[in-house]
Amino acid sequence: SQTIHQWPATLVQPVGSPLSLECTVEGTSNPNLYWYRQAAGRGLQLLFYSVGIGQISSEVPQNLSASRPQDRQFILSSKKLLLSDSGFYLCAWVTGGFAYGYTFGSGTRLTVV
Amino acid sequence: AQSVTQPDIHITVSEGASLELRCNYSYGATPYLFWYVQSPGQGLQLLLKYFSGDTLVQGIKGFEAEFKRSQSSFNLRKPSVHWSDAAEYFCAVVPQTGANNLFFGTGTRLTVIP
Repeated sequence: SQTIHQWPATLVQPVGSPLSLECTVEGTSNPNLYWYRQAAGRGLQLLFYSVGIGQISSEVPQNLSASRPQDRQFILSSKKLLLSDSGFYLCAWVTGGFAYGYTFGSGTRLTVV
Repeated sequence: AQSVTQPDIHITVSEGASLELRCNYSYGATPYLFWYVQSPGQGLQLLLKYFSGDTLVQGIKGFEAEFKRSQSSFNLRKPSVHWSDAAEYFCAVVPQTGANNLFFGTGTRLTVIP
C-alpha cells in the first residue's frame, strides 16, 4: 500500500539552530513531492516541490531549502532557524497525475523559541 | 491575481443543522477543484474533487460540493452536521496551466455545538 511518513511529529528548536525534516513515501515510484507550511491563522503555503531526484523548485523565497536525495525521500532544511519559521509543516505526494488528489503526511509541528 | 478565497474564517453550527462552506476562485481557466479536511494536529484528508462533468460532486463523510461556473464557486455542503465534523476545511485548486501544483485557500474552522 502507498503510505507517507513524516518525522518528527513535534520539534522545539532555538533560534539560529539548524533544521532537518524528513519525508518518505512507500509503495509508489517517481512521485511528485511537496512541502507545505501552515502558519498560525494562515492557510497552507506551498514551499517546495520536486518532480524527480535532485530537482527542486521553490515557490517562495525563504530561510529554508529542500533536497531530494532519493526518489521517495524529501528533506526540508534550514541552516539557521528564525522565529518566523514556526508552523506546521506538511509533506505531500502525488503520482500519475492528480486525479486521486494529493496525499498528505501527518505533519511536523515546529516551534522556534 | 490568481487566488482561492474562503470568506468565512470560522463558522459555528448546531449538531444536526445543515452546513455550507464557501469557496471562490479567481483563475483564467476553471481550475481543478478540491476540498480537504484537517482534524486538530493532523494531516489533510481529501473530501471530494471536481474535474469536469456533473457539477454536483459527492464525497466522503456525507459531504457534497457544487461547482458554479458563473459564480466561480465550489461550495461545500452537508445536510446534517455531526459533532465529529468539527475541523478545519480547506478549498484547494490545481490551475489548468502551470506545474499542476495544489494551492489552498486560508481555511474555514468549523465548530459544532451540541
